[in-house]
Amino acid sequence: DAGVTQSPTHLIKTRGQQVTLRCSPKSGHDTVSWYQQALGQGPQFIFQYYEEEERQRGNFPDRFSGHQFPNYSSELNVNALLLGDSALYLCASSVGPTGESFFGQGTRLTVV
Amino acid sequence: AQSVAQPEDQVNVAEGNPLTVKCTYSVSGNPYLFWYVQYPNRGLQFLLKYITGDNLVKGSYGFEAEFNKSQTSFHLKKPSALVSDSALYFCAVRDDWVLTGGGNKLTFGTGTQLKVEL
Repeated sequence: DAGVTQSPTHLIKTRGQQVTLRCSPKSGHDTVSWYQQALGQGPQFIFQYYEEEERQRGNFPDRFSGHQFPNYSSELNVNALLLGDSALYLCASSVGPTGESFFGQGTRLTVV
Repeated sequence: AQSVAQPEDQVNVAEGNPLTVKCTYSVSGNPYLFWYVQYPNRGLQFLLKYITGDNLVKGSYGFEAEFNKSQTSFHLKKPSALVSDSALYFCAVRDDWVLTGGGNKLTFGTGTQLKVEL
């Protein structure tokens, strides 16, 4: 049984570019949440997707957007990258929007 | 808004000794509390959770946590530490979805680095 899988594992982008990160939820899970973990900090909630709609959103600018597909997988898009967007981006999936969260290994984004 | 505080950036303990990693929380409604562990360049691994019931919660790898409502604390403990327990530990609180109308957003503390030495 595959857990939560994220791709890519690492990537480097230039300031001002756009990036797309991908997440496949654990089998049987239908809800995906995204978190940003800056160096030396705890993860910060970005948003949650359920039934292909954004259900909850944290305190992140509109440059951060997402999408959920009919197969429950999800993408996180970040536009106009800033140096401060460099972080580990974690995806978590759950059964329903109130279920327990299971985390993927994360995507390490470096903005130069 | 809920919040979590982990007052210690680092905890050092000798292998075989008991360990405690501290966590206090602030939340509206019922507290749903979690501990996660993170190894270098890895995601978060679930250790244990408190939803309701007994104040002493047992979790993975011999860890347990004690919920104290009056002190709003949820300290992580292990009777005998191992070198392999060395990692970054996060305490988290979840929305009371009954109050918020849905969602399982987690609010994390800043983490405590546990170092277990021989």
